[in-house]
Amino acid sequence: DAGITQSPRHKVTETGTPVTLRCHQTENHRYMYWYRQDPGHGLRLIHYSYGVKDTDKGEVSDGYSVSRSKTEDFLLTLESATSSQTSVYFCATALGVDITNEKLFFGSGTQLSVL
Amino acid sequence: QQQVKQSPQSLIVQKGGISIINCAYENTAFDYFPWYQQFPGKGPALLIAIRPDVSEKKEGRFTISFNKSAKQFSLHIMDSQPGDSATYFCAADYTGTASKLTFGTGTRLQVTL
Repeated sequence: DAGITQSPRHKVTETGTPVTLRCHQTENHRYMYWYRQDPGHGLRLIHYSYGVKDTDKGEVSDGYSVSRSKTEDFLLTLESATSSQTSVYFCATALGVDITNEKLFFGSGTQLSVL
Repeated sequence: QQQVKQSPQSLIVQKGGISIINCAYENTAFDYFPWYQQFPGKGPALLIAIRPDVSEKKEGRFTISFNKSAKQFSLHIMDSQPGDSATYFCAADYTGTASKLTFGTGTRLQVTL
């Protein structure tokens, strides 16, 4: 998985609680992404980062925030979890040499259940 | 708004057969079309990709066919094997997006003996 570690791998939480998912990479890749995977929707981009402290919204960013204080770490926070945020969350990275069309490397995912 | 439509949702193919998965896109600015393969419990991994300057790209048993005028592209898996059983995602991207892929909804392929 190209040196990408997601933690935790599984989490069960209650509606209204804050949740933070962590992505750690050892590849020194510039770009990092958070996707969610849901049946019938495929993979949808939540937020992405193109450098330390440089982040932007993706297709489904409502209810999520991110932070990137170091090249290797990208955090995804659900400020107040809802049942609709039950999903599998994937972190991905890309080298970031080219501005586009780069290969994405994915972590193994975090299964999040919001009860 | 689904910018990349993928079909079928699931596919069962006998060992040795040809698996075909189709995708259609709407945004004519897309200029990069990768396919990702995902095994259960794992993240997706790049399988093969094509750019619109060619109509076909082949890597081993995997071939992408691309039809620019129809805004469609497909993945063909020749001599399908049980080890090919996985979920396949098509995707699309265009220049200047920091590699923000738009993915299709996925196809679960099962190759039977």
